Amino acid sequence: DVKVTQSSRYLVKRTGEKVFLECVQDMDHENMFWYRQDPGLGLRLIYFSYDVKMKEKGDIPEGYSVSREKKERFSLILESASTNQTSMYLCASTDNTRYEAFFGQGTRLTVV
Amino acid sequence: DQQVKQNSPSLSVQEGRISILNCDYTNSMFDYFLWYKKYPAEGPTFLISISSIKDKNEDGRFTVFLNKSAKHLSLHIVPSQPGDSAVYFCAASAYGGSQGNLIFGKGTKLSVKP
Repeated sequence: DVKVTQSSRYLVKRTGEKVFLECVQDMDHENMFWYRQDPGLGLRLIYFSYDVKMKEKGDIPEGYSVSREKKERFSLILESASTNQTSMYLCASTDNTRYEAFFGQGTRLTVV
Repeated sequence: DQQVKQNSPSLSVQEGRISILNCDYTNSMFDYFLWYKKYPAEGPTFLISISSIKDKNEDGRFTVFLNKSAKHLSLHIVPSQPGDSAVYFCAASAYGGSQGNLIFGKGTKLSVKP
């Protein structure tokens, strides 16, 4: 089974802090994604990466950056956390042979 | 502008009955459609999918129907069980896009009552 693991289930951070969300997948997938889920808005794509050191902006990249130094790891960075970044963050991965993305368990981030 | 729409935020069904979740899309380039199920505080899990060259795909209690001319798909769950209570997301992908770069609807919360 594909396993996508996010480093934290719950995080509480202060406004202005730099926040790192880590995601690791164990199936040698080429593609990795960061989404955020908010009530009434569904899942919105923040950034994705289709190869090591490659990144592409999704629909809502403002206030975020990403890093992919190794194939199995994709990090989401909140440069200066703000309260409107309080959300559920979901990491996903897939390879180039399928459409189905596999998701991690999610990180519930609260910015106070 | 929403390319994938789930117009019903919630649906309540009696156990044993059929649940029908609907999804509409606007982009005719979409060629693959997926349904995900999500429980609170967990990540979405893949449920069932359908290619645009088909009009029906069945997997146990779950069937997805695709009507390309109407740009509409639906997920049927028969019979519904209390454990099916979750948020269901419809997603779509376009040929040539990065695999897994899915466009999601806003979700429909299904409640199955015993």
